[in-house]
Amino acid sequence: GAVVSQHPSRVICKSGTSVKIECRSLDFQATTMFWYRQFPKQSLMLMATSNEGSKATYEQGVEKDKFLINHASLTLSTLTVTSAHPEDSSFYICSARVPGQGNTEAFFGQGTRLTVV
Amino acid sequence: AQSVAQPEDQVNVAEGNPLTVKCTYSVSGNPYLFWYVQYPNRGLQFLLKYITGDNLVKGSYGFEAEFNKSQTSFHLKKPSALVSDSALYFCAVRDPGNTPLVFGKGTRLSVIA
Repeated sequence: GAVVSQHPSRVICKSGTSVKIECRSLDFQATTMFWYRQFPKQSLMLMATSNEGSKATYEQGVEKDKFLINHASLTLSTLTVTSAHPEDSSFYICSARVPGQGNTEAFFGQGTRLTVV
Repeated sequence: AQSVAQPEDQVNVAEGNPLTVKCTYSVSGNPYLFWYVQYPNRGLQFLLKYITGDNLVKGSYGFEAEFNKSQTSFHLKKPSALVSDSALYFCAVRDPGNTPLVFGKGTRLSVIA
């Protein structure tokens, strides 16, 4: 299947700093990528839809100035957690599907465990 | 709006026994249904999907799921569980097109040797 790579897998940062998470589609071009957040022992909650060359679409309750998404190329979307606080500590996961194939499954990155201290 | 329900937080099964992880769905049209598995601190791995066609879908690692329209269910099954199947399982649904998945809350499967 297609491969989605996410980096870093783990990051620890101090309160007030910013952290960038990268999501790459390695063997296909993804015009759309999705960013999810997962709290411990809970399900994945969609944060935003990242669209190549245009602004991301954020879900209700997600602060767009807090979670900056950039989809500058067909193979890379980035999520930047700005001015991070301990409550931003979570597991962040991106996903993408091979375009033009409406019946396909989504492929997920390995996830990024963010800890803000 | 689409939604899926996984009524069990935890399923315990002995190794070698059959396992079932339950999922029911609510959609406005024809459902696109998926099962994913997650191991600790990892992303999700695709197991199987139902889009159309045969109601019994076979997937990775010996898993299968049966689409039941009248009961709006899509239960995940495996005839003989392995200890290595122990993980968190998510049922998900989405609309046709390039749309995001909506996940159930997840069911933790524990296979005991």
